Amino acid sequence: NAGVTQTPKFQVLKTGQSMTLQCAQDMNHEYMSWYRQDPGMGLRLIHYSVGAGITDQGEVPNGYNVSRSTTEDFPLRLLSAAPSQTSVYFCASSYVGRLDEQYFGPGTRLTVT
Amino acid sequence: EDKVVQSPLSLVVHEGDTVTLNCSYEVTNFRSLLWYKQEKKAPTFLFMLTSSGIEKKSGRLSSILDKKELFSILNITATQTGDSAVYLCAVESYYGGSQGNLIFGKGTKLSVKP
Repeated sequence: NAGVTQTPKFQVLKTGQSMTLQCAQDMNHEYMSWYRQDPGMGLRLIHYSVGAGITDQGEVPNGYNVSRSTTEDFPLRLLSAAPSQTSVYFCASSYVGRLDEQYFGPGTRLTVT
Repeated sequence: EDKVVQSPLSLVVHEGDTVTLNCSYEVTNFRSLLWYKQEKKAPTFLFMLTSSGIEKKSGRLSSILDKKELFSILNITATQTGDSAVYLCAVESYYGGSQGNLIFGKGTKLSVKP
């Protein structure tokens, strides 16, 4: 198993640009989520999904879109990047109800100038 | 508003010391509390606590939950330099169904000096 993979590892964007952060898992997990982590902060939930075709907002969803067309993939789209979106982004997955067995991806470090 | 508060935010100790990290929470629909260790990469899972008063233990690390007073502690005995990391506390809050979401504290940065 590759676990949870994220691409790219690093990205620099200019204000106003759009991009998609990719996340994939090969463990057949129903639950997938996106978090952002700012310096000196814990993780904050952006969006999550409990299965293909089902997504919902987390704590800080503004400026981000997600979709879940397959069980494996859960891309995060930045519609119009802003400097406030400079952060480290983590994707995670688990079976429903099993957050104690949640796998995190390696993270994407995004800088918006 | 749901919140998780960790203290202290940072801590410097010497090898061999024992440390206690604190986590208090105010969360509607509490389901569980989780502790993670983060070393400049993704968090790694340490413990999940669901019941009050039952200690979870793994080597030199242990944790306990008090659901009446709404807090948890993480103890590390005989600290080593490899324990240097940020320790994150997260509370699982759910709104029906079998899936909850995590609300994280800001973390405690532990530095263990030789």
